[in-house]
Amino acid sequence: DIVMTQSPDSLAVSLGERATINCKSSHSIFYNSNNENCLAWYQQKPGQPPRLLIYWASSREPGVPDRFSGSGSGTDFTLTISSLQAEDVAVYYCQQYFILPFTFGQGTKLEIK
Amino acid sequence: QVQLQQSGPRLVKPSQTLVLTCVISGDSVSSNIATWNWIRQSPSRGLEWLGRTYYRSKWFDDYALSVRGRITINPDTAKNQFSLHLNSVTPDDTAVYYCSRNSAFDIWGQGTMVTVSS
Repeated sequence: DIVMTQSPDSLAVSLGERATINCKSSHSIFYNSNNENCLAWYQQKPGQPPRLLIYWASSREPGVPDRFSGSGSGTDFTLTISSLQAEDVAVYYCQQYFILPFTFGQGTKLEIK
Repeated sequence: QVQLQQSGPRLVKPSQTLVLTCVISGDSVSSNIATWNWIRQSPSRGLEWLGRTYYRSKWFDDYALSVRGRITINPDTAKNQFSLHLNSVTPDDTAVYYCSRNSAFDIWGQGTMVTVSS
């Protein structure tokens, strides 16, 4: 199985500041057929299912604010929130869909400093 | 818009079979481009993909090794839904169970907290 490892486990950022979450896969998840990385990012708030934010490592899901962006390739990926808002407090997960079984990172808890 | 509505029991006894159903609105379980998944979440296991079903001129399914042999995911075209059957459950199967669409999981059911206990 591909292991997804996120860092840090938790993060406290001031309102309006940048938040950066990292995700590393144990195997490259670059899909040669379409030159895309099979990496998604999710946001989960208490009592809710995860919400898809980013797919193909950098494509924003419709309706997701443009302060959320994804980057990276191969085995190293980053989710950036450019200017943290109060409603961004949540747990964030990365997930690979390159190969079965699809696997998730352990999550990063984002709080307000 | 596409919605997934889950139903099923919240308490299952050890050794019994857990059955959950996910009703699809706004899409088709027989879609030739979608896949239909079950995922669970627990403090001990985190988010864990369990399996999927999909139609590409015929029906296919894939399952996680951790539950293979105990799991079946069945489509029901007449009711436009798919179901999860997980047999021989133990307390380790206690989790929130979600249904979801596609490989980047773009649509999710509301979740069902299932407790395995006598």
